[in-house]
Amino acid sequence: EPEVTQTPSHQVTQMGQEVILRCVPISNHLYFYWYRQILGQKVEFLVSFYNNEISEKSEIFDDQFSVERPDGSNFTLKIRSTKLEDSAMYFCASTGGSSTDTQYFGPGTRLTVL
Amino acid sequence: EDQVTQSPEALRLQEGESSSLNCSYTVSGLRGLFWYRQDPGKGPEFLFTLYSAGEEKEKERLKATLTKKESFLHITAPKPEDSATYLCAVRKGAQKLVFGQGTRLTINP
Repeated sequence: EPEVTQTPSHQVTQMGQEVILRCVPISNHLYFYWYRQILGQKVEFLVSFYNNEISEKSEIFDDQFSVERPDGSNFTLKIRSTKLEDSAMYFCASTGGSSTDTQYFGPGTRLTVL
Repeated sequence: EDQVTQSPEALRLQEGESSSLNCSYTVSGLRGLFWYRQDPGKGPEFLFTLYSAGEEKEKERLKATLTKKESFLHITAPKPEDSATYLCAVRKGAQKLVFGQGTRLTINP
């Protein structure tokens, strides 16, 4: 069964460093998302991406964040200058041919900022 | 303000003891309500999508129902492997999902 994959599973970084989180969405899916979940809190929407551009973003998704689809399979989230409060699980999700379809989530990347 | 509230926060049942989890929402422009299961340290795993009041979906020991203000996830004769956090989410607008805080379900053998 097709699934969303994410790498790395755990990333540890120093405050102020740049990190890139990688996702391979389900092939033939067209809509891509990033969410985050701070420990013990709700899953929060960050950004949605379609046709090589951001279609919606939350207040959390400020200038330190960026997303890219560098090739036909990968979808990345870059955090330019990490802060302690960026420590969280980051989930990638994808949706098929319509934005109203179900979002399927990857296993997540645990980001720890020291 | 758009809100999704799940209750209870935690529920402990004996194996075989049926119960229901609640998700109440206040969202304008609802375009689908979703139930996911999340195991510790893992991503949300899709269970059901409901679109309109009165709709019901069923899968093994789980059944989801929807009204205009809330959704229920009924679990019948649960087993220990049903232990997980169950997340409710509503689609707001075109794509964004708004999640509740989840119900942590523990099934004791």
